[in-house]
Amino acid sequence: GESVGLHLPTLSVQEGDNSIINCAYSNSASDYFIWYKQESGKGPQFFIDIRSNMDKRQGQRVTVLLNKTVKHLSLQIAATQPGDSAVYFCAEIRSGGSYIPTFGRGTSLIVHP
Amino acid sequence: DADVTQTPRNRITKTGKRIMLECSQTKGHDRMYWYRQDPGLGLRLIYYSFDVKDINKGEISDGYSVSRQAQAKFSLSLESAIPNQTALYFCATSDSRVVGGEAFFGQGTRLTVV
Repeated sequence: GESVGLHLPTLSVQEGDNSIINCAYSNSASDYFIWYKQESGKGPQFFIDIRSNMDKRQGQRVTVLLNKTVKHLSLQIAATQPGDSAVYFCAEIRSGGSYIPTFGRGTSLIVHP
Repeated sequence: DADVTQTPRNRITKTGKRIMLECSQTKGHDRMYWYRQDPGLGLRLIYYSFDVKDINKGEISDGYSVSRQAQAKFSLSLESAIPNQTALYFCATSDSRVVGGEAFFGQGTRLTVV
């Protein structure tokens, strides 16, 4: 069946390192992807998004890469800080009008000072 | 004040009891969702509603029911709670007018069934 999955459930890095979180998706009809950040004790919050007609989207210290050929997303955080510690989910929005967000397992990013 | 409010935040209940989790929103969004979060399993969709009087089953609806009392309110019920329904529950909203609109989540309800 269709699925959104993450390759690494936990990623531990040192402060200042670059972090890469990966996400695989299986529905080529998905046309919108959102990364959510969930801090401890809180609900997930929008972090960054990318449309399927883009290969790359950049924010401050954050880059999302989309490879439609292999149905793969990555979230790159440069110079990771302790405040980046959270669980990151990728959500796949499928075309067809319903736009129901479907989430992967999540990756826990732990940043050590 | 939070835009999406869930009550209660924490609840311990006994097996076989009926329990209701409530969600209200002030964002004016038409779509509302209930998700369940378990360690290692991400967020799984229980039910969703695209508008008042519209109710749809999600991936894991068995053992749950919902009610959309108004556009701003969407409640989740466990008719007869069982221990494997112990989880973190999230309500979320989105706006159908926004293409690929992001979901806005409540703070979650931690439910323990003993």
